[in-house]
Amino acid sequence: EDQVTQSPEALRLQEGESSSLNCSYTVSGLRGLFWYRQDPGKGPEFLFTLYSAGEEKEKERLKATLTKKESFLHITAPKPEDSATYLCAVQGGEYGNKLVFGAGTILRVKS
Amino acid sequence: KAGVTQTPRYLIKTRGQQVTLSCSPISGHRSVSWYQQTPGQGLQFLFEYFSETQRNKGNFPGRFSGRQFSNSRSEMNVSTLELGDSALYLCASSLDGIGDTQYFGPGTRLTVL
Repeated sequence: EDQVTQSPEALRLQEGESSSLNCSYTVSGLRGLFWYRQDPGKGPEFLFTLYSAGEEKEKERLKATLTKKESFLHITAPKPEDSATYLCAVQGGEYGNKLVFGAGTILRVKS
Repeated sequence: KAGVTQTPRYLIKTRGQQVTLSCSPISGHRSVSWYQQTPGQGLQFLFEYFSETQRNKGNFPGRFSGRQFSNSRSEMNVSTLELGDSALYLCASSLDGIGDTQYFGPGTRLTVL
C-alpha cells in the first residue's frame, strides 16, 4: 500500500535554530512531490514541487530535497513567522492524478 | 492573477440537510480537485474534475458529488449530512492535473449540528 509519512509530528525551535522536516513515501511511479504550508483556518499555500531524485529547490529560508524514498524540507535560521503546519503530498502510482497527503509537521518558532 | 476562490467560507447545517459548495479556479486552469480536511483524517481526496468530467474519485460515499461547468467553475454537493461531515472543504485548481502543481483556495468550513 502506498504511504506518505511525515516526521516529526511537531517541532519547536528557537529563532535562528535550523532544522529539517522529513517526508518519507512509498509509491510507484512518482509523478511529483509537493510541499505546502498551512496556517490555521486557511488553505494550504504552495511551496515547492519536486519531480526526480536529486532535485533541490530553494525559497528564502526553505530548501526542499528529494531522494527515491524521502524528501526533506530544510529550514535555515527560522523566524517566528515560519510557524505553521508543513504538509507533504505525492502524486503518482495508484493515486493517479490526485494528491495523497501526509499528516503534516506542526512547526513552532519562538523568538 | 486572482487565486482560487471558494464560497461560502462558513456554513452551519443540521443533520439530514444537504449543502452545495462552490469553487472558482485560477483563470486558465482546467482541473479542479476537492479535498476534505479533518483533525483526525487529515487531508483526503474527494474527486477531480477536468473539462466538465469527473476524472478521478476518492473513497467517499455517494452522498458526496460534484460537477464542473464549461467555465471550469466547480460545485460540490453533500446530501443527507452527518455529524462526521463537519470539516474544512478545500478546492484546488491546476492546469491539467497530472504532475501539475495544485493551488488551494481558502476552504469552506462546514459545521453539521
